[in-house]
Amino acid sequence: AQKVTQTQTSISVMEKTTVTMDCVYETRDSSYFLFWYKQTASGEIVFLIRQDSYKKENATEGHYSLNFQKPKSSIGLIITATQIEDSAVYFCAMREAISNTNKVVFGTGTRLQVLP
Amino acid sequence: GPKVLQIPSHQIIDMGQMVTLNCDPVSNHLYFYWYKQILGQQMEFLVNFYNGKVMEKSKLFKDQFSVERPDGSYFTLKIQPTALEDSAVYFCASSPTGASAETLYFGSGTRLTVL
Repeated sequence: AQKVTQTQTSISVMEKTTVTMDCVYETRDSSYFLFWYKQTASGEIVFLIRQDSYKKENATEGHYSLNFQKPKSSIGLIITATQIEDSAVYFCAMREAISNTNKVVFGTGTRLQVLP
Repeated sequence: GPKVLQIPSHQIIDMGQMVTLNCDPVSNHLYFYWYKQILGQQMEFLVNFYNGKVMEKSKLFKDQFSVERPDGSYFTLKIQPTALEDSAVYFCASSPTGASAETLYFGSGTRLTVL
């Protein structure tokens, strides 16, 4: 069964610094996709970045990048040069490629607070 | 970008009543989802839906829950009867074809309060 675990409940960082949020996952599939979403204070949920399990290169998207360590089943989100507006709850999620139901499983989220 | 609309944004009802949550998915998207979130915490998968059928449902998708999308109109989540533990924010999401690499597009959620 799929499972996604985010152990960090809350993180505070100073503006313009770099932050890493952890995520580990469990799956029996050899092929899967990992996602990070951001939920703002208004409740809006937006997609940030995706890592395909078969790709060795870490995905990057603007000031977001991923630290994909497949042997450890780990997919950390790195935000560089953080800004106040990065304050939000960040969710890690996974979808198995072979599954015929396309369920996307989410972690419990990490609340990031960026301080001025 | 593409938008998923959820109506209403808030709903307050008495326990035992029926409630229908409405979702207008992104145009031309074929795969739909409902998630439940309590107190801003984990997004819990409820159900996904494709081509008029429930593809998978979780343990949270109780017998009192049902989903449908009649004739391409709103994708709805109906709870009948409601219980106190159904109080949560319900998020609708859609994706173009349901392919594994696709991201989900979420609505802004409907906050359901059961009294």
